Amino acid sequence: DAEITQSPRHKITETGRQVTLACHQTWNHNNMFWYRQDLGHGLRLIHYSYGVQDTNKGEVSDGYSVSRSNTEDLPLTLESAASSQTSVYFCASSEGLNYGYTFGSGTRLTVV
Amino acid sequence: GESVGLHLPTLSVQEGDNSIINCAYSNSASDYFIWYKQESGKGPQFIIDIRSNMDKRQGQRVTVLLNKTVKHLSLQIAATQPGDSAVYFCAEQFGNQFYFGTGTSLTVIP
Repeated sequence: DAEITQSPRHKITETGRQVTLACHQTWNHNNMFWYRQDLGHGLRLIHYSYGVQDTNKGEVSDGYSVSRSNTEDLPLTLESAASSQTSVYFCASSEGLNYGYTFGSGTRLTVV
Repeated sequence: GESVGLHLPTLSVQEGDNSIINCAYSNSASDYFIWYKQESGKGPQFIIDIRSNMDKRQGQRVTVLLNKTVKHLSLQIAATQPGDSAVYFCAEQFGNQFYFGTGTSLTVIP
């Protein structure tokens, strides 16, 4: 069965370190997204991609970057982790406009 | 950016009763709406969607109603079960992106 997986499920890192969160989908979806979820804010868009070599900034992109070298993967990198980036991160993919998103199970990141 | 809000942050219902969860959306040009369910420690899960050219859509035990006049979306869950306990939030598509509400926590009392 097709799926979307995130790793790691939990991560603790120190302030200033570079961290990469992985997202891998086997749906063959062109569209992939990264969101963060914080209490009281709902899901906020960090970065998204509509295909290989395409990346776009979302609402809260500062301090984050993504790359899309193939259809299956969209890794999210925190260049220099800050305590404000402690959050739960969700990756999602979709078939296209007017289709719902399929979400991964999330990565809980704690920056200490 | 767009804002999507929910009227009530928490809702408790007796097992077997019907549940209604409400959502107000802000952009009259939004053309596609989705309800998601999120259980503790899991990612959001698609429940049901509705396009702006419809005012009602039914699934298995769930119904979504769309009132474009007042920009209001609701999710009705029939015969609520303990497994329905979760956070539910709506999403509206405006342009090429979705905007998500903060969610309503539904607790089913056995």
